[in-house]
Amino acid sequence: EAGVVQSPRYKIIEKKQPVAFWCNPISGHNTLYWYLQNLGQGPELLIRYENEEAVDDSQLPKDRFSAERLKGVDSTLKIQPAELGDSAVYLCASSLSEGTGELFFGEGSRLTVL
Amino acid sequence: AQSVTQLDSHVSVSEGTPVLLRCNYSSSYSPSLFWYVQHPNKGLQLLLKYTSAATLVKGINGFEAEFKKSETSFHLTKPSAHMSDAAEYFCVVSEGFQKLVFGTGTRLLVSP
Repeated sequence: EAGVVQSPRYKIIEKKQPVAFWCNPISGHNTLYWYLQNLGQGPELLIRYENEEAVDDSQLPKDRFSAERLKGVDSTLKIQPAELGDSAVYLCASSLSEGTGELFFGEGSRLTVL
Repeated sequence: AQSVTQLDSHVSVSEGTPVLLRCNYSSSYSPSLFWYVQHPNKGLQLLLKYTSAATLVKGINGFEAEFKKSETSFHLTKPSAHMSDAAEYFCVVSEGFQKLVFGTGTRLLVSP
């Protein structure tokens, strides 16, 4: 069974440029999460989807961040424009909607903003 | 709001010796607690979870954790460390399975 797939694994951009990250969750997982992980910190939730609906986006900085999950499968997280402080690892995870507490994480997308 | 505190940012052990990674939690309700592991350049993986059943929880790779309500602790242990255990470990609390709050992590170093 394929795991959660994220791309790109690494991205280096100049500040004020846009960037997008893509996530393909495990087949059959209705819940999808985007987490932000700063160096030396634990992951922090940015947004959670139940199918196509964003049910928790309270931590998403909506002035520059946006996300979508069309058709309730793949998801894209966008930053426009990127700032120096956005340098971090962006993690995607998925889980069964029944909610066992077990999240399956991708390997992450490491963003460096110069 | 729920939170967890991981008391050590780094723990160093020798191969074959016991491992203890400490975690204290804060929660208004009966929490669900988890330990996740993150190996270098790998995705986070669930080690074990406590959901108000048995207070001693066994996980993968020989790890276990004990829920102690009186001490608000959920420490992770393993009797004998292996080189492959070297990784970052995260204690996690949830008051509903959908929203997990991660600790800051403990890096486990295992020397030969």
